[in-house]
Amino acid sequence: GQSLEQPSEVTAVEGAIVQINCTYQTSGFYGLSWYQQHDGGAPTFLSYNALDGLEETGRFSSFLSRSDSYGYLLLQELQMKDSASYFCAVRRAAGNKLTFGGGTRVLVKP
Amino acid sequence: DADVTQTPRNRITKTGKRIMLECSQTKGHDRMYWYRQDPGLGLRLIYYSFDVKDINKGEISDGYSVSRQAQAKFSLSLESAIPNQTALYFCATSEFGTSGEQFFGPGTRLTVL
Repeated sequence: GQSLEQPSEVTAVEGAIVQINCTYQTSGFYGLSWYQQHDGGAPTFLSYNALDGLEETGRFSSFLSRSDSYGYLLLQELQMKDSASYFCAVRRAAGNKLTFGGGTRVLVKP
Repeated sequence: DADVTQTPRNRITKTGKRIMLECSQTKGHDRMYWYRQDPGLGLRLIYYSFDVKDINKGEISDGYSVSRQAQAKFSLSLESAIPNQTALYFCATSEFGTSGEQFFGPGTRLTVL
């Protein structure tokens, strides 16, 4: 079977840095995606790592270690608008089919 | 206009009723997906379609069926709704490729009484 583990909730203050870890166990692995979802909204794509290393997109960065079956999403210079749920998702096959983790709720306080 | 649309946005129905949720997209993507979301469980894949003639079951297909009427349309049906199918349902699309990116519709909140 497959499983993805990520913390259920993280709280931080504006301007801080938050790291959301994701560990996975899957049969077949092509890459790790990250999605953001605000309350009442749809998930939106943030990043995708197919190879080991760090991918940076503005204030957000994503890291992958295939040998450790581990990745993380780094949120820097936190803003109130970053309060949302963040999901890691494994791409397990050549198509774009994804298996999602349970999500991490990030609460940013003033 | 939104690239991926879902109708209805909200629906309340009774146990045993047949329900159809519809998804349309203008992104020109071949691949379409149906997910359900329950609190604390993330998104779980119900069915997916890689083109009009290709339909596949996902993790939790029991109690659901789908129809891919055209490249742009993918419908999800609950033949006989039950209360534990109360959830938020999302449709998504993706390109043929390797980006790990899917584009989600706004969701349908379904309540089965």
